[in-house]
Amino acid sequence: AQKVTQAQTEISVVEKEDVTLDCVYETRDTTYYLFWYKQPPSGELVFLIRRNSFDEQNEISGRYSWNFQKSTSSFNFTITASQVVDSAVYFCALSGRGSTLGRLYFGRGTQLTVWP
Amino acid sequence: DAEITQSPRHKITETGRQVTLACHQTWNHNNMFWYRQDLGHGLRLIHYSYGVQDTNKGEVSDGYSVSRSNTEDLPLTLESAASSQTSVYFCASRLEPTGELFFGEGSRLTVL
Repeated sequence: AQKVTQAQTEISVVEKEDVTLDCVYETRDTTYYLFWYKQPPSGELVFLIRRNSFDEQNEISGRYSWNFQKSTSSFNFTITASQVVDSAVYFCALSGRGSTLGRLYFGRGTQLTVWP
Repeated sequence: DAEITQSPRHKITETGRQVTLACHQTWNHNNMFWYRQDLGHGLRLIHYSYGVQDTNKGEVSDGYSVSRSNTEDLPLTLESAASSQTSVYFCASRLEPTGELFFGEGSRLTVL
């Protein structure tokens, strides 16, 4: 079974603070994909990143960085020097290989609020 | 630009009525999906399709049906709407081969 757990329901920070959103997953697949999506107050779902299970290199994109650790089944997301525009719900998601590829299993999301 | 659109964006209906939510994508993606989003549950998969004439049930498919007569469209039908189906519905299509989903803007359905 595929499962994604985002234990942090809500996080509040003040602008310019760094913040890490946690994501823990469960899967029996040996090859799988992990994703992060952002849902701003306007409601649309915006793709942020996709990571293959065989690529454990951390990734940085501007103020965003992702830490993938297979040993702990985690795929955490860090925002450096947060800004008010980062306020959104963030979803971590998992999909398996083969016939289930494309069926994303989502965590329940973390509501991030960045105060000015 | 290619895109994915949903209609209607907002709908209010009564219990027992049939409702159809439309989803249209212009990317020519084979794989399309319907999710519902509810507070505390994140996004849950309703139905999905890997191509024309192919449809599959997701984890919360009871009370819903889909059909796929062409590549571009995957309409979602609620045969007899129930209050428990009040939700925000998202359609998505999958970019191949990288696998990420691209979502429509969502359809907010209220069943009274």
